[in-house]
Amino acid sequence: GENVEQHPSTLSVQEGDSAVIKCTYSDSASNYFPWYKQELGKRPQLIIDIRSNVGEKKDQRIAVTLNKTAKHFSLHITETQPEDSAVYFCAATQNSNSGYALNFGKGTSLLVTP
Amino acid sequence: KAGVTQTPRYLIKTRGQQVTLSCSPISGHRSVSWYQQTPGQGLQFLFEYFSETQRNKGNFPGRFSGRQFSNSRSEMNVSTLELGDSALYLCASSLVGGDRDRYEQYFGPGTRLTVT
Repeated sequence: GENVEQHPSTLSVQEGDSAVIKCTYSDSASNYFPWYKQELGKRPQLIIDIRSNVGEKKDQRIAVTLNKTAKHFSLHITETQPEDSAVYFCAATQNSNSGYALNFGKGTSLLVTP
Repeated sequence: KAGVTQTPRYLIKTRGQQVTLSCSPISGHRSVSWYQQTPGQGLQFLFEYFSETQRNKGNFPGRFSGRQFSNSRSEMNVSTLELGDSALYLCASSLVGGDRDRYEQYFGPGTRLTVT
């Protein structure tokens, strides 16, 4: 099945710095790549996503890039704030003839220190 | 519009028992997926339902099963519980699961299952 690798597993940055999280996937048929943010004790929240026909997408301080040839995609957070501290998960679709599933990376624990 | 809801939020069971968890999707969403979240394995896909049919299944034993009703609400069942089944069980709904252009999944708060 689909394998999604995510790095780093932990990331500590100072407020105002940028944070980058990288993921790779194995299934060339994957065509949708969402990113979720999960704060402690809360549900995962979709923060941004990208489809395979797009190379980059930006939403305020958050951007995602996709390299289909290399099968990797990245999350970029600029001007980080303490409230960005959370666990971030990347995912890629695992498509079948009759449905789809999201295969998740193991998560990156981001800590933004004031 | 109300979000995805799950009941119960917390559950404690003993080994060998069985459990049923419930998920109500966002109104109008027809696809419901279930995931198991544990500290060691992260988020793992269990199965996906659309129009009362299981369309996709992850690598979990047959003790894990589910179903979907005509109103899109879904339940999952775990029989003969094992200690390793202790986890947060999350469901997620999406608008039109059959449309390849609409993949966004929105998660419920989860059910925290503890098996003793």
